[in-house]
Amino acid sequence: DTGVSQDPRHKITKRGQNVTFRCDPISEHNRLYWYRQTLGQGPEFLTYFQNEAQLEKSRLLSDRFSAERPKGSFSTLEIQRTEQGDSAMYLCASSFTSGNTIYFGEGSWLTVV
Amino acid sequence: KNEVEQSPQNLTAQEGEFITINCSYSVGISALHWLQQHPGGGIVSLFMLSSGKKKHGRLIATINIQEKHSSLHITASHPRDSAVYICAARANFGNEKLTFGTGTRLTIIP
Repeated sequence: DTGVSQDPRHKITKRGQNVTFRCDPISEHNRLYWYRQTLGQGPEFLTYFQNEAQLEKSRLLSDRFSAERPKGSFSTLEIQRTEQGDSAMYLCASSFTSGNTIYFGEGSWLTVV
Repeated sequence: KNEVEQSPQNLTAQEGEFITINCSYSVGISALHWLQQHPGGGIVSLFMLSSGKKKHGRLIATINIQEKHSSLHITASHPRDSAVYICAARANFGNEKLTFGTGTRLTIIP
């Protein structure tokens, strides 16, 4: 396994459109995390899964955001009715269990125009 | 005041210099991560520590739980060390989210 992969790496969309990002974690990692990072800032927590269960959601995750991990493997993050303020890099990370090293993907850059 | 603060925000040094980046946090933690982020976004985990000191190659990370402070040191710095270094705190057990500092942009000049 080559690591956490994210797709697409870059997405430009018009305001009001829906976008979906996919994350494939390292095989057998049961924990998967989504973070958002804007320029000049550190990443901010959005949500995390243990297997297919979404265990925590940040208040940053408005009703327009939804994340799933249907089979406990890959995850999707969908943003509906995008706004310019959604422009950021969306980072996915995974780990085997709590307290273990966390591995990050390369991130998916979103630009809303 | 952010829960995790780093200093300095920017650091420029000559190749070969000893580098220290500091991280202070205000909440109880179960672990602290040091991460490296290169232009383009990719983040690499350097260390995860909950006490004491860890060393990997030219990198050394220390943490003082009582003082809520951690440092990342780079010995014999090299231009390829140029990156943003981020510390991230994981709250006490039962809370999985990481709280990140804003990062330290390190530039090593040949």
